[in-house]
Amino acid sequence: RKEVEQDPGPFNVPEGATVAFNCTYSNSASQSFFWYRQDCRKEPKLLMSVYSSGNEDGRFTAQLNRASQYISLLIRDSKLSDSATYLCVVSSRGGTSYGKLTFGQGTILTVHP
Amino acid sequence: ETGVTQTPRHLVMGMTNKKSLKCEQHLGHNAMYWYKQSAKKPLELMFVYNFKEQTENNSVPSRFSPECPNSSHLFLHLHTLQPEDSALYLCASSRSGATDTQYFGPGTRLTVL
Repeated sequence: RKEVEQDPGPFNVPEGATVAFNCTYSNSASQSFFWYRQDCRKEPKLLMSVYSSGNEDGRFTAQLNRASQYISLLIRDSKLSDSATYLCVVSSRGGTSYGKLTFGQGTILTVHP
Repeated sequence: ETGVTQTPRHLVMGMTNKKSLKCEQHLGHNAMYWYKQSAKKPLELMFVYNFKEQTENNSVPSRFSPECPNSSHLFLHLHTLQPEDSALYLCASSRSGATDTQYFGPGTRLTVL
């Protein structure tokens, strides 16, 4: 089983649509959770952190379910500029006190006019 | 944005060449990372340095040799690479451990002939 698993998509949605991405992780000791965004041929950038209480940033809402080891990202009112690959990212301590990030393979989103 | 810079941006090398990738961060961070991103694969963590000390080596072949002379600079020395090592190599930094946001450089796109 992959450490972090995402549906690779692609998701093709019209402008204004609501789209949801899901992610599961295998390490129950994982501590922190993030969504990163990667545009074509660019580096990944943090979109938002994910908390058990859920968090919202404008049109983006992230949820974490520790019991199910499941993370989600909801994008409302999609814009053309939302087209990108969305990476589910989990941090764990591993064998050190500093920890490391594990990335999912990413979900490709294309928003069309 | 120039928080994390990488040089060169593109590199083509033969299997017998020796080359080095350079990363510099201007964010005052204490942790630096090397990742490999191949087509259709998740980002793979290669090495982690915290306060100039290597704290993670993710079973990377010895033909990749990292060097971290100070908290702001990170190198990846390459020798006798294989064509399957062709990928985007991304450097990142964070304030300290992996639970902190990681900021990525633009990457070096490496082609091994």
